Amino acid sequence: QKEVEQNSGPLSVPEGAIASLNCTYSDRGSQSFFWYRQYSGKSPELIMFIYSNGDKEDGRFTAQLNKASQYVSLLIRDSQPSDSATYLCASQAGSARQLTFGSGTQLTVLP
Amino acid sequence: GAVVSQHPSRVICKSGTSVKIECRSLDFQATTMFWYRQFPKKSLMLMATSNEGSKATYEQGVEKDKFLINHASLTLSTLTVTSAHPEDSSFYICSARDLNSGRNSPLHFGNGTRLTVT
Repeated sequence: QKEVEQNSGPLSVPEGAIASLNCTYSDRGSQSFFWYRQYSGKSPELIMFIYSNGDKEDGRFTAQLNKASQYVSLLIRDSQPSDSATYLCASQAGSARQLTFGSGTQLTVLP
Repeated sequence: GAVVSQHPSRVICKSGTSVKIECRSLDFQATTMFWYRQFPKKSLMLMATSNEGSKATYEQGVEKDKFLINHASLTLSTLTVTSAHPEDSSFYICSARDLNSGRNSPLHFGNGTRLTVT
């Protein structure tokens, strides 16, 4: 069974700190990886995606991918209270390129 | 950016009735759309893959006769929950990808439908 695992948290960090979110996946056929942010009662919104080994930076966010270790992470620098949400990691595989989601990590940034 | 419109956003129905949820891609075409279900404090679980002009592909454990999917055009997929029961109460979310986008392009999500069956 294809799985994406995340630490459910909750994870709390003080405002201005770096939040580190981790994710592992079991399907070596996964091609791309996505981080979504979901506020309570809302639909997921895309933060970043990555498909090559290494780091990818976009503003305060950095995604890291290590295919050998089957590991994906998301770093949020200078965390803000508005970053408080559930962060979902997803892997993409299959002919239809469907996404498999992890259970999400609840992040709270304390003012 | 790519927009996926989902309607209704919230619906309350009685047990035994059917509810139809629409998912439209507003500024792009999609041969494939995905229907997810999310229970409170749980992750998104893929229910089925909707294929334009052909039958949907259902995930294991999802009853195709209960969750009817129709993908009649490149911009519209519908999910009908038939003979709804209280345990069908959930947050249903559709998503789609621009058929002209690259291999690693992301899915775009609708705003979801909160279904409550009384």
